[in-house]
Amino acid sequence: KAGVTQTPRYLIKTRGQQVTLSCSPISGHRSVSWYQQTPGQGLQFLFEYFSETQRNKGNFPGRFSGRQFSNSRSEMNVSTLELGDSALYLCASSLVGGQFREKLFFGSGTQLSVL
Amino acid sequence: GDSVTQMEGPVTLSEEACLTINCTYTATGYPSLFWYVQYPGEGLQLLLKATKADDKGSNKGFEATYRKETTSFHLEKGSVQVSDSAVYFCALEKAQKLVFGQGTRLTINP
Repeated sequence: KAGVTQTPRYLIKTRGQQVTLSCSPISGHRSVSWYQQTPGQGLQFLFEYFSETQRNKGNFPGRFSGRQFSNSRSEMNVSTLELGDSALYLCASSLVGGQFREKLFFGSGTQLSVL
Repeated sequence: GDSVTQMEGPVTLSEEACLTINCTYTATGYPSLFWYVQYPGEGLQLLLKATKADDKGSNKGFEATYRKETTSFHLEKGSVQVSDSAVYFCALEKAQKLVFGQGTRLTINP
């Protein structure tokens, strides 16, 4: 069974641009969560999607948004990029999510650099 | 708010040494607790977890016990290997999301 796939692996953008990151969960998984990892702030929860609906959201500005498609694939969008948005963005999938008694599977992440 | 505090790294040990990575948490109620490991260039992998007080999670020779009285979940291994070199994250689950510690980088020298 294929793991969680995130594309692209690396991305370089300039301030003010927008970016879209993609995540394909493990087949059959319906929950997708996004996390931001930076050296200063560590790992922080962005949001979780389940059955195309945002079920949970972290404390990030409205520039960060996401969506989930009917095949459970998810995209994350960041508009008006700032230097501080440079980070490793991790996606995680699970069967139904929301309770963490099941295993969460992480992708390898997308490394975003904002210049 | 809910938070997780891990011992600061980096931690460098020789092969076959004993390992302890301290983790304490602040949370209301009784959250589930986790240790995740991140190998170079990879995403996080669940190492072990405990869902209630006094539970012991174990995997690959690693162990951690959920201590409610000290709000701790320290990670231990009796004899580390070079392949254990990675970044280790302690985390708690609250309101259906994970709250992570800062991570501890572990390097094992042969």
